[in-house]
Amino acid sequence: DAGVIQSPRHEVTEMGQEVTLRCKPISGHDYLFWYRQTMMRGLELLIYFNNNVPIDDSGMPEDRFSAKMPNASFSTLKIQPSEPRDSAVYFCASSFEVGQRPSGANVLTFGAGSRLTVL
Amino acid sequence: AQSVTQPDIHITVSEGASLELRCNYSYGATPYLFWYVQSPGQGLQLLLKYFSGDTLVQGIKGFEAEFKRSQSSFNLRKPSVHWSDAAEYFCAVGPGGYQKVTFGIGTKLQVIP
Repeated sequence: DAGVIQSPRHEVTEMGQEVTLRCKPISGHDYLFWYRQTMMRGLELLIYFNNNVPIDDSGMPEDRFSAKMPNASFSTLKIQPSEPRDSAVYFCASSFEVGQRPSGANVLTFGAGSRLTVL
Repeated sequence: AQSVTQPDIHITVSEGASLELRCNYSYGATPYLFWYVQSPGQGLQLLLKYFSGDTLVQGIKGFEAEFKRSQSSFNLRKPSVHWSDAAEYFCAVGPGGYQKVTFGIGTKLQVIP
């Protein structure tokens, strides 16, 4: 398996523009997570999905952020409109549930990340 | 609420020296504990995890960690550091299942010749 694939790896945009980040999870993984990493706040969970359904989006900073998972092999994180404070590295991660405790569900496999710079 | 504290933001060690990275957690029950490593420009990779059982956990790349419930700690150790170990290390805690995993702020390791 090629692992979790994210695109683009780097994105530079101007304030007010729409940004779409993409993620392809590992085949067979039924959990998908979006994280944001900044120097100031570290790694923050934005949202996660189980079987393509959003389970917890309490980490999404505001309405400018939205995430979708139309099928098991694809997810997007969209920022519209983007602001300079959104500059960060955005990681997608996937995992699977292997049954009762101890579970493999929170052993995360991360993508290489998408570095976003909003000017 | 669960939380993780990594008190050392940056650590420098000489190649061949031993290493210990500190991690303290706050969680109301028996936690699931993890150490991840992030090389520059890469995503996080799991080094090791503790779910239950033996409190000394072996991981990849020669790392180990010890769960000490009385101290709420899960420190990462390596007896002899290699230059390739230079990276950022993240401790994480979770309640199990698919619930949120909380990450620490990370410790950046520099290895000098």
